[in-house]
Amino acid sequence: KAGVTQTPRYLIKTRGQQVTLSCSPISGHRSVSWYQQTPGQGLQFLFEYFSETQRNKGNFPGRFSGRQFSNSRSEMNVSTLELGDSALYLCASSLDFAGELFFGEGSRLTVL
Amino acid sequence: QQPVQSPQAVILREGEDAVINCSSSKALYSVHWYRQKHGEAPVFLMILLKGGEQKGHDKISASFNEKKQQSSLYLTASQLSYSGTYFCGTYGNQFYFGTGTSLTVIP
Repeated sequence: KAGVTQTPRYLIKTRGQQVTLSCSPISGHRSVSWYQQTPGQGLQFLFEYFSETQRNKGNFPGRFSGRQFSNSRSEMNVSTLELGDSALYLCASSLDFAGELFFGEGSRLTVL
Repeated sequence: QQPVQSPQAVILREGEDAVINCSSSKALYSVHWYRQKHGEAPVFLMILLKGGEQKGHDKISASFNEKKQQSSLYLTASQLSYSGTYFCGTYGNQFYFGTGTSLTVIP
């Protein structure tokens, strides 16, 4: 059974640019959530999607957005990048809202 | 609403035991535990549900005190493979994760 796949794994951007990250969940999982991981803040919740609907959004500015497609694949977008957006972005899928999370290996974003 | 974990870091010798604590200011209905090795994705260890049901790892145990809004993860007879950062997570419309406990097991 394939795990959660995130692309790209590494990327470098400059301030003001935008970035799109992709996540393919485990087959059959309809819930996808995104997290920002930084050394000082740990894992911070970004959004959660279920059946193409955003269920919740964390305390992040509007520059952070996401969506989920009919095949459960999800994307997140960060516009007008800032230095502080440098982080590991993790995607997780699960069968239901509060169930066991299966994480991808993450996309490491560096903003210069 | 971020859970508080303690200790922040611990170093053990193989075979020693460790306890990692997680406390929340909000009522807990379930607690998750994950372990993340350096450069890898977090991996699910255990979920504890209100009412005492526990699902997860064979060699690691945990407790869940609903009244005190606390959970503890018990690692007994630690192995080198236990090294990593341990996170607790609580769900209340979204997941809130603790800041993590770095555990290092040395020979």
